[in-house]
Amino acid sequence: AQSVTQLDSHVSVSEGTPVLLRCNYSSSYSPSLFWYVQHPNKGLQLLLKYTSAATLVKGINGFEAEFKKSETSFHLTKPSAHMSDAAEYFCVVESGTYKYIFGTGTRLKVLA
Amino acid sequence: NAGVTQTPKFQVLKTGQSMTLQCAQDMNHNSMYWYRQDPGMGLRLIYYSASEGTTDKGEVPNGYNVSRLNKREFSLRLESAAPSQTSVYFCASRRRDAGTYTEAFFGQGTRLTVV
Repeated sequence: AQSVTQLDSHVSVSEGTPVLLRCNYSSSYSPSLFWYVQHPNKGLQLLLKYTSAATLVKGINGFEAEFKKSETSFHLTKPSAHMSDAAEYFCVVESGTYKYIFGTGTRLKVLA
Repeated sequence: NAGVTQTPKFQVLKTGQSMTLQCAQDMNHNSMYWYRQDPGMGLRLIYYSASEGTTDKGEVPNGYNVSRLNKREFSLRLESAAPSQTSVYFCASRRRDAGTYTEAFFGQGTRLTVV
């Protein structure tokens, strides 16, 4: 069975400091992994995706994530947080089927 | 491009009432999905339609029915609404290319309150 665990429900950072949102997955197959962002009262927007190509994936708005098979992790990072990054972030795993399995989300707060 | 369009955006129902949430996509996608989002639980799959003419249950199907009306439209029906169905509902769609799927595109959501 596939599953995904987002290790922090809330993360607070100061503007201009690095962001790290952690995600571990469990999958019987070679997975596809995604990060989505949801701004307040909005739909979900794709940040980036891993589909068995390069293990370091670059996304929109300066975000990137590294697929580490040995650690079953797919952590999301950004070198310098901006106020507009405040949102909820979802890690998603898909493997062997066409269904997404969502993590429970990490709410990112950016302090001025 | 409109992408995935959901109607209505907001709805308040009384317990026992019925309603249908509408979803349409203009990206020629094969697969469509309905999710519900509840605080601290991420998004959970209610029903999905892998292709036109097929529908299947997801993780939390009880109390819901769906219809894949055509390739573009996928509706979700609550026959007798309950307070436990208060949630934000998202429709999504994906395209299948040569045996693999593209990422999912989501609508803006429908915020449903059952009183």
